[in-house]
Formats: sequence, structure tokens, C-alpha cells
Amino acid sequence: DAKTTQPNSMESNEEEPVHLPCNHSTISGTDYIHWYRQLPSQGPEYVIHGLTSNVNNRMASLAIAEDRKSSTLILHRATLRDAAVYYCILRDRDDKIIFGKGTRLHILP
Amino acid sequence: ETGVTQSPTHLIKTRGQQVTLRCSSQSGHNTVSWYQQALGQGPQFIFQYYREEENGRGNFPPRFSGLQFPNYSSELNVNALELDDSALYLCASSLGFGGGTDTQYFGPGTRLTVL
Repeated sequence: DAKTTQPNSMESNEEEPVHLPCNHSTISGTDYIHWYRQLPSQGPEYVIHGLTSNVNNRMASLAIAEDRKSSTLILHRATLRDAAVYYCILRDRDDKIIFGKGTRLHILP
Repeated sequence: ETGVTQSPTHLIKTRGQQVTLRCSSQSGHNTVSWYQQALGQGPQFIFQYYREEENGRGNFPPRFSGLQFPNYSSELNVNALELDDSALYLCASSLGFGGGTDTQYFGPGTRLTVL
């Protein structure tokens, strides 16, 4: 079973920041937090991952709570192309990816 | 650098038949994972291959089997197809260095319909 909890859906206006939350209260010390997204009619694509510290890349930022029981994916300026299902995943040393249902993000023009 | 490719794109089979789906990994990747994604659901892990050996399996029956070849391409075989096998089948390749940081690169999937 997925070890993360995410809202089923969220809406955001175009060109505004989006904060996608994820709860993972049973996270272990060796679990990495990964985010993938799946655009319509495509396979999932990697977005970002982190362990303890906040992370930034060209796609997004990942803010990790100090107790690591929750995290937030931040899209700094949403575009229509960011409309997708976003999956928050915990990965341990076994590296298997267990997907939940994710958050469907709708972007309003 | 070529991405992950899958074939065929779409496939229609009837119940009881067998099907083989193919995946070509991204260049340099020695690990491939297969997933089944039913409509409206997240992908479900089927199994993973690392250097031609099965390296983990999800909750799928033995009629789901796989192969990984020396060039790291892969096949997913499903025997005795059932209506519930209708889904999008995704493969993902990775470098396989483990430790929880490995990034998986997904193909576009094969849409299987079982009638």
C-alpha cells in the first residue's frame, strides 16, 4: 500500500504558485521522498526528490517538514502544461515505487 | 540519448489469449520495472529486472512474467488474459544504483484492451 496521503484534486490559477501537500507520517529514516507527475496520455515523469533538506530544481521546489512527516511540492508559476496527476512517493533502499492515487492538478487560465 | 520506448502503442486481445509487450530501455540503464495502470488509478508495480534477473515482484499472479535481455530491453508476457487485465502497461528504466535515489524514466505505455 502507498505510504503517503494526498488530496484527490486541487485547482490553481495560471501563473500563480501551487503548493501540493503530502503526508507521510510513517516515513522511516532511510526513505527518500520522490515526486512524479503524469501528464494526460503520457507515462509518469520524475519531478524532484529529497531526504531531509529542501530541494530546488528547474521544475519545482520540495519543502520537507522538520519531522519529515509531511512535504510540499511547490510549482513557482503554474502554466497550463503543469496540469497533471502528481504522485508523492516514499522510496527506500529496495527502490520499488509504490504509487498512490496522487493529486489531480487543474490549472485555470 | 534515446528515451524509453514501448511497443505496441495499442493492442486488443480476447479473453484467454496471451500477449507480449516490449520495452526498450534508456541508453545505459540496466534496470527495468513494469507497472499496470487501470483507468483512474495510480500505476501498480508488477516486477523489476536488474541485469536480466528478477529483482522484486508486486502482487501479481504467475501468469504475468517477464524477461530482460543482454541489451537491457525487456518483455512483459501475460498468459490467459482476463477482462481485468485491460489497462495501460508502463515500463520504466533506471541506472539501478539503489539507495532510494534512483530516478525511473517511464515510457509512454501500451494500452491493452481485453474483450
